[in-house]
Amino acid sequence: GAVVSQHPSWVICKSGTSVKIECRSLDFQATTMFWYRQFPKQSLMLMATSNEGSKATYEQGVEKDKFLINHASLTLSTLTVTSAHPEDSSFYICSAEGLASEQYFGPGTRLTVT
Amino acid sequence: GQSLEQPSEVTAVEGAIVQINCTYQTSGFYGLSWYQQHDGGAPTFLSYNGLDGLEETGRFSSFLSRSDSYGYLLLQELQMKDSASYFCAVRDDKIIFGKGTRLHILP
Repeated sequence: GAVVSQHPSWVICKSGTSVKIECRSLDFQATTMFWYRQFPKQSLMLMATSNEGSKATYEQGVEKDKFLINHASLTLSTLTVTSAHPEDSSFYICSAEGLASEQYFGPGTRLTVT
Repeated sequence: GQSLEQPSEVTAVEGAIVQINCTYQTSGFYGLSWYQQHDGGAPTFLSYNGLDGLEETGRFSSFLSRSDSYGYLLLQELQMKDSASYFCAVRDDKIIFGKGTRLHILP
């Protein structure tokens, strides 16, 4: 199956700092990638749809100025959490879309803001 | 609104068969997918149905009826390692996930 990597796998940062998370499709090109966050024992919450070469589409309630998404190439999308606060602590996951709209997920990034 | 409904929990016995249903209500439809997620890990792709009928992949099968806006995931010969959460998802103009079904397997 297709491989998607995410970096870092976990990060601890201080309140007020910014964190960048990278999502890479390693063996295929993905025009569309999605970003999610997930709290323990809950479902995936879609944050935004990232299309290569265009602005991301954010879900209602997700602050686009706080969660900056850049999809500069067909294999890389980045999510930057700006001015992070403890309530931003979560599991952030990306997925890259295959030809049949199936989603290939990255391993996730666990963010802890202290 | 757009929504996917699936049971929150299902319990089955090792070696048995279990079916997880999913009904959806979306404005568009480009296929129904199923994903497995173990605690602490990211979801992994299991199967995809773009057309009506049954898709089989080893012990796992998935079914779709577009006229009924309904699909299911069938897991056969259950193993303890199948204990996980299972999500159905529909691709519309974005990806929409169900809330997940927690599968408990008893020895």
